[in-house]
Amino acid sequence: GAGVSQTPSNKVTEKGKYVELRCDPISGHTALYWYRQSLGQGPEFLIYFQGTGAADDSGLPNDRFFAVRPEGSVSTLKIQRTERGDSAVYLCASSFGGATGELFFGEGSRLTVL
Amino acid sequence: AQSVAQPEDQVNVAEGNPLTVKCTYSVSGNPYLFWYVQYPNRGLQFLLKYITGDNLVKGSYGFEAEFNKSQTSFHLKKPSALVSDSALYFCAVRDVNQAGTALIFGKGTTLSVSS
Repeated sequence: GAGVSQTPSNKVTEKGKYVELRCDPISGHTALYWYRQSLGQGPEFLIYFQGTGAADDSGLPNDRFFAVRPEGSVSTLKIQRTERGDSAVYLCASSFGGATGELFFGEGSRLTVL
Repeated sequence: AQSVAQPEDQVNVAEGNPLTVKCTYSVSGNPYLFWYVQYPNRGLQFLLKYITGDNLVKGSYGFEAEFNKSQTSFHLKKPSALVSDSALYFCAVRDVNQAGTALIFGKGTTLSVSS
């Protein structure tokens, strides 16, 4: 597609459940980012991939959060044992890589943990 | 560690008046600086960036921003605001000297333009 695609757009789950959020970046973009945005806040960095490897995962809040990008394209953010505090909009972005390139964002996956 | 501050939660201007949305940053080296805009229920859209060269950068929709190294600022400006400019604006920074790090965002400033 022309832009960054994220699925699902909305996910409601119960506390303790496992969730996967998918990101399909712009074709040819080597860098992929996951951010989390809570209401009234700026995007909070989670993890950044360059190709298949995680270049920086310092933003993952704890070991319940994990992300993969096995073929250097689509990425999946995985959240185990979800908690109510995980409720947020999860944003994915991609870029051509390098420090100067702007990020192109998807519209996000809104996660609600009941 | 790099950080960004947007000191105003909200900026209110009348249509046709100039607008400024403030941003200051902190990095250990030199910065790459970005502005993004977010409309309700939409993803973030890139407006403009400063990488090197001229301190005044021009971007989409008539916006511009001025890089001031001595004040560590990168304020967003527009000479004449439109009601359609009303949105949430984010400043972001990346440290040039820390390759492989992500873009760090401020908490955002809501711009409200009244007719």
